[in-house]
Amino acid sequence: DIQMTQSPSTLSASVGDRVTITCRASQSISSWLAWYQQKPGKAPKLLIYQASSLESGVPSRFSGSGSGTEFTLTISSLQPDDFATYYCQQYNSYSGTFGQGTKVEIK
Amino acid sequence: EVQLLESGGGLVQPGGSLRLSCAASGFTFSSYAMSWVRQAPGKGLEWVATISDSGYTTSYADSVQGRFTFSRDNSRNTLSLLMNSLRAEDTAVYYCAKGRSSGWSPSEYWGQGAQVTVSS
Repeated sequence: DIQMTQSPSTLSASVGDRVTITCRASQSISSWLAWYQQKPGKAPKLLIYQASSLESGVPSRFSGSGSGTEFTLTISSLQPDDFATYYCQQYNSYSGTFGQGTKVEIK
Repeated sequence: EVQLLESGGGLVQPGGSLRLSCAASGFTFSSYAMSWVRQAPGKGLEWVATISDSGYTTSYADSVQGRFTFSRDNSRNTLSLLMNSLRAEDTAVYYCAKGRSSGWSPSEYWGQGAQVTVSS
């Protein structure tokens, strides 16, 4: 099974900061990677698919990059609405493993 | 407008069974893969299962393989997740989710979730 590891688990940042979250796969998943944002008590929201494609309606301050086993989600200038938990998910080979999540907190 | 409405959650004893349903509307249901994702209290997201647009292909997480059965009825735009031999660690909010395409793809729309509690 493919394992997904995110880092860091928690990130403290201020409004306006550039934020980067990393996700590593235990084997190559090509570009079959998505990023989600989840706020407490709410369903997740898809931000990025196929590693770097921005979902419709998602602000352009969100971007994704990477391929193979290493991927990043970058928020270019953190906004108050961005404080949330972020998950990566691989969707290769008929499975859909999530990373353990990265909580972005107010510094 | 895409809508996904889960039902069937509740309290069940360990070893028991429960069937979750998901009613879909607002899109061509038979053209998209669908998934179940769960979240235990205070924990992260866990992929449970995915079914292809036709229903011919399903895939399950190791943690539920052999205990859960995922099916769809494209004539009624509904999903069903039959959960047998339930364990305390199956306690979670279960989300049904719509894929972006007919094949394996990330989930672009999610339901509000159904609570499943396994306890004696």
